[in-house]
Amino acid sequence: AQSVTQLDSQVPVFEEAPVELRCNYSSSVSVYLFWYVQYPNQGLQLLLKYLSGSTLVKGINGFEAEFNKSQTSFHLRKPSVHISDTAEYFCAVRNSGNTPLVFGKGTRLSVIA
Amino acid sequence: DADVTQTPRNRITKTGKRIMLECSQTKGHDRMYWYRQDPGLGLRLIYYSFDVKDINKGEISDGYSVSRQAQAKFSLSLESAIPNQTALYFCATSDSTQGIWYNEQFFGPGTRLTVL
Repeated sequence: AQSVTQLDSQVPVFEEAPVELRCNYSSSVSVYLFWYVQYPNQGLQLLLKYLSGSTLVKGINGFEAEFNKSQTSFHLRKPSVHISDTAEYFCAVRNSGNTPLVFGKGTRLSVIA
Repeated sequence: DADVTQTPRNRITKTGKRIMLECSQTKGHDRMYWYRQDPGLGLRLIYYSFDVKDINKGEISDGYSVSRQAQAKFSLSLESAIPNQTALYFCATSDSTQGIWYNEQFFGPGTRLTVL
């Protein structure tokens, strides 16, 4: 069965500093990868997704992620964070075929002024 | 208007009570899902349905049941609630007619359930 590992449960970072949130998935022939964001007291919102094509994908709010098949990773990055980026971030994966998304345990990003 | 709605948004109940959480969608999607979120555990799949006649168990289905009353409605029931079912519950939808784009799931706002 597919699994997702988010290597950091909490990431504190100062405002305007860069950040990387790490995500690894169990290997599969083909996968579709997602990052979702959950702001305090809200539901999940899609940040970006990799379905095919270019391995560097850009999402909303200045985030981007790179699909690395050899390392089975899909790390999320932002060059300069804002206070408003404080949220929980979830990596999710789905194999081709009829399977629901499998989520990681989440990374809580705290941006410090 | 929200495309995926959940009712109630908050519910406090007692151990042993039967509880139903409802999900409705106006997106016209054929696939619907129920997840629960616990701190430090992420989202775990409870049940999913690929059409009205198709119901599948997820990772943590014990203690739960579901009903797909129509393409737009998917309800989650706790037959006899227990305290460790206290969690945030999310409904999600996806559209299988969109090729590889069907992999994206759209989430409702969540229902916060507390079982005392």
